[in-house]
Amino acid sequence: EAGVAQSPRYKIIEKRQSVAFWCNPISGHATLYWYQQILGQGPKLLIQFQNNGVVDDSQLPKDRFSAERLKGVDSTLKIQPAKLEDSAVYLCASSLGLSPSVLTFGAGSRLTVL
Amino acid sequence: QKEVEQDPGPLSVPEGAIVSLNCTYSNSAFQYFMWYRQYSRKGPELLMYTYSSGNKEDGRFTAQVDKSSKYISLFIRDSQPSDSATYLCAMKDKSGGSNYKLTFGKGTLLTVNP
Repeated sequence: EAGVAQSPRYKIIEKRQSVAFWCNPISGHATLYWYQQILGQGPKLLIQFQNNGVVDDSQLPKDRFSAERLKGVDSTLKIQPAKLEDSAVYLCASSLGLSPSVLTFGAGSRLTVL
Repeated sequence: QKEVEQDPGPLSVPEGAIVSLNCTYSNSAFQYFMWYRQYSRKGPELLMYTYSSGNKEDGRFTAQVDKSSKYISLFIRDSQPSDSATYLCAMKDKSGGSNYKLTFGKGTLLTVNP
């Protein structure tokens, strides 16, 4: 079974620039999550999709972050404009149902904002 | 007070040692408890998943939950250098309807020295 694919693995940008991350979940997994993991911290949920609908985006900074999952499969997370504090690893995960009993994570996209 | 507290370490032990990793929590609504292992530059992977108070064993790993004290532990017996990683505790509650929200601890960095 192929895992959760994410790209790019690394990205360095200047503050106020924009960046986009892509995620392709495990085939058949209806629920997709984007987590932010700042160095030395545990992952924090940014947004959760069920198919192509948003289930929870309460911790997404909507003034600068956006995410979409148009066809209920792959997803894109965008940051515009980026701030220094956005430097983090952005982890995508997927699960079969709404309950994250078994979350499968991708390797993450590491963002450095200078 | 944070919902989930986890000693970040770092923890360094000799090969063969018994390792104890711990988390405390304040939210009584947490019903399910997990331990994730995260190798450097990789996404977290599920190690143990428990619901009820008591012990659950899987090979060299034992997860312990004490809901009355709001305290969970992960024990690793006969630790190996390959166990060197960051260990994240995670807990979930019902955030609304049938949706469960996962909250992570900060993670404990473990190094097992040969």
